[in-house]
Amino acid sequence: GAGVSQSPSNKVTEKGKDVELRCDPISGHTALYWYRQRLGQGLEFLIYFQGNSAPDKSGLPSDRFSAERTGESVSTLTIQRTQQEDSAVYLCASTLNPSTDTQYFGPGTRLTVL
Amino acid sequence: AQRVTQPEKLLSVFKGAPVELKCNYSYSGSPELFWYVQYSRQRLQLLLRHISRESIKGFTADLNKGETSFHLKKPFAQEEDSAMYYCALKEIKAAGNKLTFGGGTRVLVKP
Repeated sequence: GAGVSQSPSNKVTEKGKDVELRCDPISGHTALYWYRQRLGQGLEFLIYFQGNSAPDKSGLPSDRFSAERTGESVSTLTIQRTQQEDSAVYLCASTLNPSTDTQYFGPGTRLTVL
Repeated sequence: AQRVTQPEKLLSVFKGAPVELKCNYSYSGSPELFWYVQYSRQRLQLLLRHISRESIKGFTADLNKGETSFHLKKPFAQEEDSAMYYCALKEIKAAGNKLTFGGGTRVLVKP
């Protein structure tokens, strides 16, 4: 079946602009995660959704970052007033059962803030 | 707080040689450890997890709680093993079971 998809694949924006990144999880996967990967570094956890609620937002780096999920499906990560340090690959993952199942990753969105 | 360390940024080996990727972790509870791999132009995917105790593509990894390590090994590296490898830790019982990743090791297998 279809895997996790993300759009856009690449996004170039100017400092100060807002951006929206989209994640379509695997159908039926109730758990959804956002991670960020800066150049040369590992993945950093941002936020976790179970259904449409986010019980763990501890990784969001500032109040410029927000995310929502609707219909227990699509999720949108929004970054307001982008800064150059926001440049990274943003990865989305989903899983059916967070306790026992692996997380399946999307291809990522590469964000470049000029 | 939990932490995962991969001390090697790059490992370069010849085809047929053994390869070992180091991973050390710090975590106060009982962790679950994973190795993820990302081949060129492909998405991140699970390679193996310690609770499965299985060998995938010739790779094995043993959790050593005394040394807090989860090193990945393969006795005879192949060119198709060239990729980025990430060690990850999952907090058991934490809400959502988020993953904490190491910085990654790039493996280059030369012919």
